[in-house]
Amino acid sequence: GEDVEQSLFLSVREGDSSVINCTYTDSSSTYLYWYKQEPGAGLQLLTYIFSNMDMKQDQRLTVLLNKKDKHLSLRIADTQTGDSAIYFCAETSMNTGFQKLVFGTGTRLLVSP
Amino acid sequence: GAGVSQSPSNKVTEKGKDVELRCDPISGHTALYWYRQSLGQGLEFLIYFQGNSAPDKSGLPSDRFSAERTGGSVSTLTIQRTQQEDSAVYLCASSFTGSQGGSFFGQGTRLTVV
Repeated sequence: GEDVEQSLFLSVREGDSSVINCTYTDSSSTYLYWYKQEPGAGLQLLTYIFSNMDMKQDQRLTVLLNKKDKHLSLRIADTQTGDSAIYFCAETSMNTGFQKLVFGTGTRLLVSP
Repeated sequence: GAGVSQSPSNKVTEKGKDVELRCDPISGHTALYWYRQSLGQGLEFLIYFQGNSAPDKSGLPSDRFSAERTGGSVSTLTIQRTQQEDSAVYLCASSFTGSQGGSFFGQGTRLTVV
């Protein structure tokens, strides 16, 4: 079945760039997403990318997709303490009829002053 | 409403009792999903409703779990004879047809079975 993997933890200093990585196995994955979860809160959709794209930029966020290696990354420029949260990578595909998201384990980002 | 609304936000129940969790999706969204988030299992898909089609129940972990969606809007997730392993955060999400554009999540219901 589909599998999405992420590293568990990332620590950066305020003002640095953060790069959160994700790998997936489903070769038919068509849409890939990044969600942010703050403590005690639900999931906030940050951005998504369609598989025919290599890159998508949205303000401080840059998503890179390497479809050959099935690797997705999220770069946060000028990371702030308010960016501290858990970041989930997720994918959906024709295999599931776009009917569900398959999530990674989440990467906990800690931003120190 | 402006976002997906879930109630209650927290629920503590005794083992063996039944619980009902409610989700009110974003107005106009035809697709509604339930996910479960627990420490051991991460985020798991439970069930998906799309319009008047039969729901995709493939993620429900046992027959103690059921869900319905009345009038194509509000959904209720019911867990019968709760067990301690049911303790988790239950998240509801909604979207326009399919999840290609991203699903929008509620705050979740934290269920604790004691």
